[in-house]
Amino acid sequence: NAGVTQTPKFQVLKTGQSMTLQCAQDMNHNSMYWYRQDPGMGLRLIYYSASEGTTDKGEVPNGYNVSRLNKREFSLRLESAAPSQTSVYFCASSPGQGAPYEQYFGPGTRLTVT
Amino acid sequence: LAKTTQPISMDSYEGQEVNITCSHNNIATNDYITWYQQFPSQGPRFIIQGYKTKVTNEVASLFIPADRKSSTLSLPRVSLSDTAVYYCLVGDGGQNFVFGPGTRLSVLP
Repeated sequence: NAGVTQTPKFQVLKTGQSMTLQCAQDMNHNSMYWYRQDPGMGLRLIYYSASEGTTDKGEVPNGYNVSRLNKREFSLRLESAAPSQTSVYFCASSPGQGAPYEQYFGPGTRLTVT
Repeated sequence: LAKTTQPISMDSYEGQEVNITCSHNNIATNDYITWYQQFPSQGPRFIIQGYKTKVTNEVASLFIPADRKSSTLSLPRVSLSDTAVYYCLVGDGGQNFVFGPGTRLSVLP
């Protein structure tokens, strides 16, 4: 049982390049989330998917797009990367949307945009 | 969104009980209070959750007064491995699930 997996673990992009961060969960959870964490800061919600087929914006959605490919997979795309998007990105899943459901987090993707 | 306030950092010694308080003055009726722990270079991990009064599990206790405007995470007899950042979350789900600034706990030998 792998839980939540994320790929890649590390990535360096040049300004203007695009990339997709992949996330998958094997716990049959309905809800999935993407967060970013800047150095020394708390996590901020980018997008979430309450259930398969739905996505909604979080606190900081600008510059990102998401796809809930199926119940297991939730990807995050940066169309034109900017240095301000340098951060650690965490994917999470939960049985239902938000409280009182526990969120399970992946190991994170460390992204640097130069 | 219920905003939370926590101490930025705390120090403790091994074997002591640690209490971390989170203030959430504008908590809504439907909001739950949840605490997560994060070690460096790892994703956060769920510790405990409650709505009112007291909740206890194998790793921590959560105390919530009747007015629910604050909550206290209690870690009994901490060890060096409890050194981490602790986040207080208040919300009822989705985009309302906001992480606080976190408290950096350092456990000293």
